Amino acid sequence: DADVTQTPRNRITKTGKRIMLECSQTKGHDRMYWYRQDPGLGLRLIYYSFDVKDINKGEISDGYSVSRQAQAKFSLSLESAIPNQTALYFCATSDYRNSYEQYFGPGTRLTVT
Amino acid sequence: GQNIDQPTEMTATEGAIVQINCTYQTSGFNGLFWYQQHAGEAPTFLSYNVLDGLEEKGRFSSFLSRSKGYSYLLLKELQMKDSASYLCAVREVGAGNMLTFGGGTRLMVKP
Repeated sequence: DADVTQTPRNRITKTGKRIMLECSQTKGHDRMYWYRQDPGLGLRLIYYSFDVKDINKGEISDGYSVSRQAQAKFSLSLESAIPNQTALYFCATSDYRNSYEQYFGPGTRLTVT
Repeated sequence: GQNIDQPTEMTATEGAIVQINCTYQTSGFNGLFWYQQHAGEAPTFLSYNVLDGLEEKGRFSSFLSRSKGYSYLLLKELQMKDSASYLCAVREVGAGNMLTFGGGTRLMVKP
């Protein structure tokens, strides 16, 4: 079983719709992250959380919000989706016990029409 | 803050050796990771260096020089399946040990 899972894996939505991407982990890690990746480009950090009561903005948080419902769950919401939010979204986790190596989920491919 | 540079694209021949460089500038260096990412898939861990020197793991090796702010990933006996992007990521103690990723190097292996 995968240690970091993301749902849905693919999503097509219309401009203006609210959508939520979910991430769950069974690794017992305190830290969780949301990244966005555009074709041919690197990873850009949207939000991160060091524990259940901690939420921090990343490099590109505008237009996004997050919720850390439990140690194992970290959700990303697009309040009103726009076409330039079409991208591949990755959730990741890390922990001091593995030198803060980040473990990635399989990704969610989001298309906003 | 950090600045991480790596070449955007490289091409190499099957069976050959390729070296992918990464340079960084950071005030609180605390380790460097290399990840492999196939198109449309999640990044996967390749190597981790925190001390100077070479770490070898099968066909892949990674080198670090902290004084020069420099690392490289060496891939030997290239195979077609090595065609992927390779991401350099630096861990900074001042940023809560978070990783900052470079833009990645897209490697194309040709027959």
